Amino acid sequence: DVKVTQSSRYLVKRTGEKVFLECVQDMDHENMFWYRQDPGLGLRLIYFSYDVKMKEKGDIPEGYSVSREKKERFSLILESASTNQTSMYLCASSAPIDSGSPLHFGNGTRLTVT
Amino acid sequence: ELKVEQNPLFLSMQEGKNYTIYCNYSTTSDRLYWYRQDPGKSLESLFVLLSNGAVKQEGRLMASLDTKARLSTLHITAAVHDLSATYFCAVPSSGTYKYIFGTGTRLKVLA
Repeated sequence: DVKVTQSSRYLVKRTGEKVFLECVQDMDHENMFWYRQDPGLGLRLIYFSYDVKMKEKGDIPEGYSVSREKKERFSLILESASTNQTSMYLCASSAPIDSGSPLHFGNGTRLTVT
Repeated sequence: ELKVEQNPLFLSMQEGKNYTIYCNYSTTSDRLYWYRQDPGKSLESLFVLLSNGAVKQEGRLMASLDTKARLSTLHITAAVHDLSATYFCAVPSSGTYKYIFGTGTRLKVLA
């Protein structure tokens, strides 16, 4: 079974702090994604990566950056956390889209910025 | 730009009843995915539909795909309380690595 592990389930940070959210997958997937989920707004793609050191902006990249130094690990960085970044963050991985593989999600990190 | 719409957004139904959730998408795709999300939890994959006419069933849930109509349905048969969750459909965006998600359908099955 594919396992996607996010380092924290719950996180509380202060405004202005630099925040790292870590995600590790164990299935050698090329693609990795970071989404945020907010009530009434559904899932919104922040960034995705299709290979080591390769990344592309999603729909809401402002205020975020990412790092993929190794294939299994994809990190989301909030350079200076703000209260409007309070959200549920979901990491996912997948094989190439044309393989028909679904996204495999981690358990999520609920981040609160105070 | 690919858009994915689900309806209804909310569904409250009695145990034992049947109902269908609809997922429409705006551009050509030959594959579609259904996910389930329990409250406070992450998403888990339910069905992978990879061609026109594909039908998958698990328990009381059955999903189908009509690529010509750009429509997928998730049919619930004889609903039970354990099916209460939010259900999402997702379509891969052609030429990109992105998946576009529907808004989700929050299902509540009343005992």
